[in-house]
Amino acid sequence: GAGVSQSPSNKVTEKGKDVELRCDPISGHTALYWYRQSLGQGLEFLIYFQGNSAPDKSGLPSDRFSAERTGGSVSTLTIQRTQQEDSAVYLCASSLSGVVGETQYFGPGTRLLVL
Amino acid sequence: GQNIDQPTEMTATEGAIVQINCTYQTSGFNGLFWYQQHAGEAPTFLSYNVLDGLEEKGRFSSFLSRSKGYSYLLLKELQMKDSASYLCARQGSGGYQKVTFGTGTKLQVIP
Repeated sequence: GAGVSQSPSNKVTEKGKDVELRCDPISGHTALYWYRQSLGQGLEFLIYFQGNSAPDKSGLPSDRFSAERTGGSVSTLTIQRTQQEDSAVYLCASSLSGVVGETQYFGPGTRLLVL
Repeated sequence: GQNIDQPTEMTATEGAIVQINCTYQTSGFNGLFWYQQHAGEAPTFLSYNVLDGLEEKGRFSSFLSRSKGYSYLLLKELQMKDSASYLCARQGSGGYQKVTFGTGTKLQVIP
């Protein structure tokens, strides 16, 4: 079946503009994660969704970042008033139910460049 | 933070064996993942260890010592395609799968 998909693949924006990044998880996966990977850095956890539970937003770096997941499937990560330090690859991952030890399947990422 | 430490870069020869080490904070620890990430691509799952000891999967093996907060990934019979970053990721015992990733070890396999 199809894997995790993300759009757009690449996004170039000007400082101060808002951007929306989209993630389509694997069908049937109830757990969804957003990470950020800056150049040469590891993956930084941003937010986690599990079913209808309240999301874990503890990784969001500032109130300019928000995410939602509609209908328990597609998720959108929104960055308002983008800054140059927001430039990074934003990776989405999903897993079947979010239980301990479950493999996370990653999408190809969105490469964001803020000029 | 979760104090996940792994070497930044390693170089090894095609056909050889390489061991990539990872140390992590032991308090609130549940399990340890290894992911492979080729340049410009998304990470892909390699292994997950929760019990002490060595788990082997073909050319790749992963070891865990819970008491020492130590893991390693062992790659045998290295191939050029193994050139990639290897990410150590610590799973906490927070009731769900929140995973903290290390910065990764960039492995270069040379002829």
